[in-house]
Amino acid sequence: DTGVSQDPRHKITKRGQNVTFRCDPISEHNRLYWYRQTLGQGPEFLTYFQNEAQLEKSRLLSDRFSAERPKGSFSTLEIQRTEQGDSAMYLCASSLRGTSDETQYFGPGTRLLVL
Amino acid sequence: QKEVEQNSGPLSVPEGAIASLNCTYSDRGSQSFFWYRQYSGKSPELIMSIYSNGDKEDGRFTAQLNKASQYVSLLIRDSQPSDSATYLCAVNEGSGGYNKLIFGAGTRLAVHP
Repeated sequence: DTGVSQDPRHKITKRGQNVTFRCDPISEHNRLYWYRQTLGQGPEFLTYFQNEAQLEKSRLLSDRFSAERPKGSFSTLEIQRTEQGDSAMYLCASSLRGTSDETQYFGPGTRLLVL
Repeated sequence: QKEVEQNSGPLSVPEGAIASLNCTYSDRGSQSFFWYRQYSGKSPELIMSIYSNGDKEDGRFTAQLNKASQYVSLLIRDSQPSDSATYLCAVNEGSGGYNKLIFGAGTRLAVHP
């Protein structure tokens, strides 16, 4: 257990529904990242927060995706009008800016299946 | 397109042998390099980080970095069946000022008794 938690761990939804995932980073970590991983691939970067500011979004993050980190603590990732291609593991990671290595620690992930 | 390349495997080694995992990357500006282990259905778990050319040892694991050749490797000595997993190489994207990681697709390692 790295100290990063994600909820829910599994989500099954029907195409066209909206889903929201939550990530709670390690408490003192000011940087938070979202990645997506599909079967047989490595995680792909989606977006990054430093405190409450969203500083980068990947081209992978279409207009249907939105992420927030309202008070610089937990973060949410919402997918609107889900499509079957959204089925993947959504991973959250956190790190502490200013440390010598700034290692990212991953949460357990949320596995999404869109039917 | 910045890329990280790994042999997908599977790499099969007998118990007690040395497993050698390799990774090449395209971004010459990268400064931080990481190896993560991922068991099936689980999230990535950090094994090693390396930032300078040369070797870095931690227990049974040794990471090797050659920035001139844009090459990172991970050696696992005295391999155990519990080491059977997918090993992900991750490299930071050099320009961002933060650790946006680019991952390879992973090498699957199978250690057989």
